[in-house]
Amino acid sequence: GENVEQHPSTLSVQEGDSAVIKCTYSDSASNYFPWYKQELGKRPQLIIDIRSNVGEKKDQRIAVTLNKTAKHFSLHITETQPEDSAVYFCAASRPNFGNEKLTFGTGTRLTIIP
Amino acid sequence: ETGVTQTPRHLVMGMTNKKSLKCEQHLGHNAMYWYKQSAKKPLELMFVYNFKEQTENNSVPSRFSPECPNSSHLFLHLHTLQPEDSALYLCASSQRQGTHYEQYFGPGTRLTVT
Repeated sequence: GENVEQHPSTLSVQEGDSAVIKCTYSDSASNYFPWYKQELGKRPQLIIDIRSNVGEKKDQRIAVTLNKTAKHFSLHITETQPEDSAVYFCAASRPNFGNEKLTFGTGTRLTIIP
Repeated sequence: ETGVTQTPRHLVMGMTNKKSLKCEQHLGHNAMYWYKQSAKKPLELMFVYNFKEQTENNSVPSRFSPECPNSSHLFLHLHTLQPEDSALYLCASSQRQGTHYEQYFGPGTRLTVT
């Protein structure tokens, strides 16, 4: 089955700097890669996703890049703010006739230092 | 609280007890999911129901028994649990199963098995 590895497990950046979180996946058939953000004591929420037919997607300060050949994808947060502090999870899914399921990484705890 | 709700929010049970976790979604969705979130581990998919039919059982021990009486409600019946089952149990829902449909998570039930 699919295996998703996520690095780093913890990341601290100065407010205003950029943060990058990387994930690798094992199943070359995977074609959907979402990122979830989980603030302390709250539920995970989808923040951005990318499908394998594109290499990059942006939404304001957040971007995700995908390298299908290398089987890795990354989350980029620019101009970080205190409210970006959270645990971020990547995930991957392969096609399965409508029965797709997400395989998650272990999470990255991002701390923004004021 | 709107969206996806879970009760109870916290549960402490002995290994010989029987208890149930409840999830309810108010989004008109047709797919519901149970996930287990343990410290330093990926979010683990346990069960998926799509239009009330179970489509996924991710090799979950039989001491966990799901029930989906309708598209709005999902239960997880627990019996004879082990201390290693202590974790945050998250419910999620989506319009239907498949990667075109965002999963919305509930706040979780923090389970402690003593």
